[in-house]
Amino acid sequence: EAGVAQSPRYKIIEKRQSVAFWCNPISGHATLYWYQQILGQGPKLLIQFQNNGVVDDSQLPKDRFSAERLKGVDSTLKIQPAKLEDSAVYLCASSFLAGGPTDTQYFGPGTRLTVL
Amino acid sequence: KQEVTQIPAALSVPEGENLVLNCSFTDSAIYNLQWFRQDPGKGLTSLLLIQSSQREQTSGRLNASLDKSSGRSTLYIAASQPGDSATYLCAVIRSNAGNNRKLIWGLGTSLAVNP
Repeated sequence: EAGVAQSPRYKIIEKRQSVAFWCNPISGHATLYWYQQILGQGPKLLIQFQNNGVVDDSQLPKDRFSAERLKGVDSTLKIQPAKLEDSAVYLCASSFLAGGPTDTQYFGPGTRLTVL
Repeated sequence: KQEVTQIPAALSVPEGENLVLNCSFTDSAIYNLQWFRQDPGKGLTSLLLIQSSQREQTSGRLNASLDKSSGRSTLYIAASQPGDSATYLCAVIRSNAGNNRKLIWGLGTSLAVNP
């Protein structure tokens, strides 16, 4: 089966500019996650969708970050305006269901963002 | 608050050695524990998932153990190969309200296996 697709793979922008990332989860996966991974740290969950509804966005900096999953399939994550500290890898993951005992998340290759 | 610690932060071994990566967590009320591998510039790949009722899981040369009472998990890699070089992350899975699962991550162990 095809994996989680993300684009672009790399992005370099200047601070105060806007940027958007796209994710296409594995077909049939109801749950979609966006993570931010700063160099040398573990992933930090930004937002979790169940179909097209938000389950958890408690760590999303809502003053500058937004995400949507309008049709319950692919998703976009936007940063507007970007700050230097937003430089990180943005990972998208999907899972079949969020509640199964052996349910596991499948990760995309990530988008490496550099803010200058 | 659940905290996950991985030791060592970095490890360099010659090819062929057996090695152990350690993961500890502060709250034993976990749902599952999962080990991931991350290669440079790539996403995360799930290696082993241990349910809270299990003691260990095996896949090929990998064996992961779980001791909830002591808050520890180990990942054992037998007969290491240069292709095993990567960062290994441990994630504790917590069950939230509404049966939702949340991953709490360690910082990872960076492994280099030298030919």
